[in-house]
Amino acid sequence: EIVLTQSPASLSVSPGETATLSCRASQSVIKSLAWYQQKPGQAPRLLIYSASTRATGISTRFSGGGSGTEFTLTISSLQSEDSAVYYCQQYSVWFTFGQGTKLEI
Amino acid sequence: EVQLVESGGRVIRPGGSLRLTCAVSGFSFNDDGMSWVRQVPGKGLEWVSGINWNGDRTAYADSVKGRFTISRDNAKNSLYLQMDSLRPEDTAFYYCARGFGKWFDPWGQGTLVTVSS
Repeated sequence: EIVLTQSPASLSVSPGETATLSCRASQSVIKSLAWYQQKPGQAPRLLIYSASTRATGISTRFSGGGSGTEFTLTISSLQSEDSAVYYCQQYSVWFTFGQGTKLEI
Repeated sequence: EVQLVESGGRVIRPGGSLRLTCAVSGFSFNDDGMSWVRQVPGKGLEWVSGINWNGDRTAYADSVKGRFTISRDNAKNSLYLQMDSLRPEDTAFYYCARGFGKWFDPWGQGTLVTVSS
């Protein structure tokens, strides 16, 4: 099983700043990685797939990067509405999720 | 508008059975694979099961293999999860989502299954 490790576990950032979230895979997933945002009481929402492609309707403030075993999700010009838990997911070998990063604005 | 609506979650005793349904509208259901993903309240996400577009390929997480069965009815735009021999550790929100073999998008709002005596 491919294990995804997200860091940090939680992050507090001021409005207008930039946050960078990391996801490390236990073996290469090439670019088969997605990012999701989950707000309290809601289902996860797809942000990024194929490591760097924004999903339909997702703000350009969200950007993904990386390949192999190291990936990042960068959120610029942070707004209060970005407060959420962010998960990475690999689909190279079956499907596993990271444990999440809680972002507080 | 794309909608996935799960139903069937409730409180059930250990060893019991439950069938979840996901009603889909707003996209061509019979073109896409589908999955179930679960989340223990306050915890992370776990893929449970997936099925391809026509139902002839299915897959399960080891934690549910042999106890859960995924199926679909393309004529009814519906996805199902038959859950047998339920255990307390199966307690979770169960989400259906479009996608099998890739990312999941979109997701339903989830249905809560509570396994408790």
